[in-house]
Amino acid sequence: AQKITQTQPGMFVQEKEAVTLDCTYDTSDPSYGLFWYKQPSSGEMIFLIYQGSYDQQNATEGRYSLNFQKARKSANLVISASQLGDSAMYFCAMRENTGNQFYFGTGTSLTVIP
Amino acid sequence: GAVVSQHPSRVICKSGTSVKIECRSLDFQATTMFWYRQFPKQSLMLMATSNEGSKATYEQGVEKDKFLINHASLTLSTLTVTSAHPEDSSFYICSALESSTQGSTEAFFGQGTRLTVV
Repeated sequence: AQKITQTQPGMFVQEKEAVTLDCTYDTSDPSYGLFWYKQPSSGEMIFLIYQGSYDQQNATEGRYSLNFQKARKSANLVISASQLGDSAMYFCAMRENTGNQFYFGTGTSLTVIP
Repeated sequence: GAVVSQHPSRVICKSGTSVKIECRSLDFQATTMFWYRQFPKQSLMLMATSNEGSKATYEQGVEKDKFLINHASLTLSTLTVTSAHPEDSSFYICSALESSTQGSTEAFFGQGTRLTVV
């Protein structure tokens, strides 16, 4: 079974609008971390935000927030006030505390329209 | 945040030659580094886990004799693509975990290497 599922291969958003990128995960480990990374066309992976499985509050980092719904095993990324520079691939990832390996989703290509 | 430097960023080589890619953690020690391969518009595929001072652990389907990994120090891991063929052309990216952090909250990625075999 897929550890991380991203069901949106591509998304479009109008500049200055908010957008939600979906991510669901599958694990039986009670302790895990969820991550979002941005990959622009240059290729580097840029860390955006982290949510621990025991964190009570949703993580926020500037314009990024993570909508963590533990019972549904979802960790959607919300980008507010989209900017043209937000156009990139976005990957959701999970790390179980029983191991070091990161599991990545298939990614969502976000295009911000002026 | 911590910095991982990957070199070279781009390399073109002839079929049959070998290419070495370096991954360095610049301001922290990394006992564990990961090597990924990424095809265009696809996700990162884990190739192997590199552990300092021991043999790398390869994922199923990855040829360890073709993709040689050496993690000789706490700050350097290398991936050597031996006898490269055009089908080895891809984007290779490394990441590192800080060894001093229990349950590190993020992995730090190199800038990636775009390999083209002609």
